[in-house]
Amino acid sequence: GEDVEQSLFLSVREGDSSVINCTYTDSSSTYLYWYKQEPGAGLQLLTYIFSNMDMKQDQRLTVLLNKKDKHLSLRIADTQTGDSAIYFCAERGILTGGGNKLTFGTGTQLKVEL
Amino acid sequence: DTAVSQTPKYLVTQMGNDKSIKCEQNLGHDTMYWYKQDSKKFLKIMFSYNNKELIINETVPNRFSPKSPDKAHLNLHINSLELGDSAVYFCASSQGRWAGPPGNTIYFGEGSWLTVV
Repeated sequence: GEDVEQSLFLSVREGDSSVINCTYTDSSSTYLYWYKQEPGAGLQLLTYIFSNMDMKQDQRLTVLLNKKDKHLSLRIADTQTGDSAIYFCAERGILTGGGNKLTFGTGTQLKVEL
Repeated sequence: DTAVSQTPKYLVTQMGNDKSIKCEQNLGHDTMYWYKQDSKKFLKIMFSYNNKELIINETVPNRFSPKSPDKAHLNLHINSLELGDSAVYFCASSQGRWAGPPGNTIYFGEGSWLTVV
């Protein structure tokens, strides 16, 4: 079955880099995602990476994937107070009857301090 | 315009009651979902419908019954509410059942906060 784990909390100072880690178990995952949830809001897609890639960069965001260890990380450069939120990693798994579903991690609460 | 809208946003009700949460999407998507986020922020899929057909039904008590009158709506009805049902319920939609980017982004609603007392 699918299982996605994340550390629960991360606190950084404004301007520093944040690194949020995630481990997953489904080796057949084709895509892995990072979502952001601000207080009182739904989930917003931040970025994603295809499973045959090691790294993807998108402005301040860098995604690293170690497929052998089933480890995914999200690095946020120059972290700002507006980055304070819960970050979820998710993996895309295939359903037996066709189609797929996303399995989300436990979420990491990022707190950015001045 | 809100792409995926849920009502009500907040709901406080007593144990044993029956309640519904409504969801509508104006994106023309074929697939809709219900996710549950508990107090520890764990987010789990409950149901998924594709063109009004149930395609995902995770281990959810049968007190929860999704209803899809058309592909733009997926309502969640909960019978005999229990304290453990207190959570945030998110509705979402995507173009097709092969959910997830690229090409098939899942859009989430803003959530419905259910508190059972």
